[in-house]
Amino acid sequence: SYVLTQPPSVSVAPGQTASFSCGGNNIGTKSVHWYQQKPGQAPVVVVYDDSVRPSGIPERFSGSNSGNTATLTISRVEAGDEADYYCQVWDSSSDHPVFGGGTKLTVL
Amino acid sequence: EVQLVESGGGLVQPGGSLRLSCAASGFTFNTYWMTWVRQAPGKGLEWVAKIKQDGSEKYYVDSVKGRFTISRDNAKNSLYLQMNSLRAEDTAVYYCAREVGAAGLIPPWFDPWGQGTLVTVSS
Repeated sequence: SYVLTQPPSVSVAPGQTASFSCGGNNIGTKSVHWYQQKPGQAPVVVVYDDSVRPSGIPERFSGSNSGNTATLTISRVEAGDEADYYCQVWDSSSDHPVFGGGTKLTVL
Repeated sequence: EVQLVESGGGLVQPGGSLRLSCAASGFTFNTYWMTWVRQAPGKGLEWVAKIKQDGSEKYYVDSVKGRFTISRDNAKNSLYLQMNSLRAEDTAVYYCAREVGAAGLIPPWFDPWGQGTLVTVSS
């Protein structure tokens, strides 16, 4: 089955830029979705189809996807962005979704 | 407001059964695929099962095949997960979620998610 690899943690200071990588074999040929999960809460989609922001998600959130790595970027990081971030794709071979292991964002 | 509310979680002994429910509101329930996703304590997200709009197609992750059954009642705007032969490794928060996307154009994502219901399998 398809495997997505995310680093376990990222730390940035407020106002800086946070980048989250999601690695997978030829992931650039897939559509990648990103979720934010704050402690004790359900996940919320922040980017879908590589780079599209749902309504209500700040412009500070952006996504890209190429080659073997998809990236979620949060610019001008705020304390309220502290959360776990998960990438997700659809595995065409099994026809079911696959999630990455998640990356925890710490705002210093 | 689009909303999903799960219920039915609790403590159950290994080998036991539990039925989770998910009440949907704020959207036309019978026009969406629906999904269950779980999250073990301190771990990541794992897709569990999904069901087609009319219930005619159901799919499961290998680890629950033959033990879990997903179903829906469109008249009641409700989604269910019947869990039998429960194991310690099934301990998790179980979320129901709506699949959304451009059919045939973009593989679906999940929005919204319910608040989750905790299932603990322990003696």
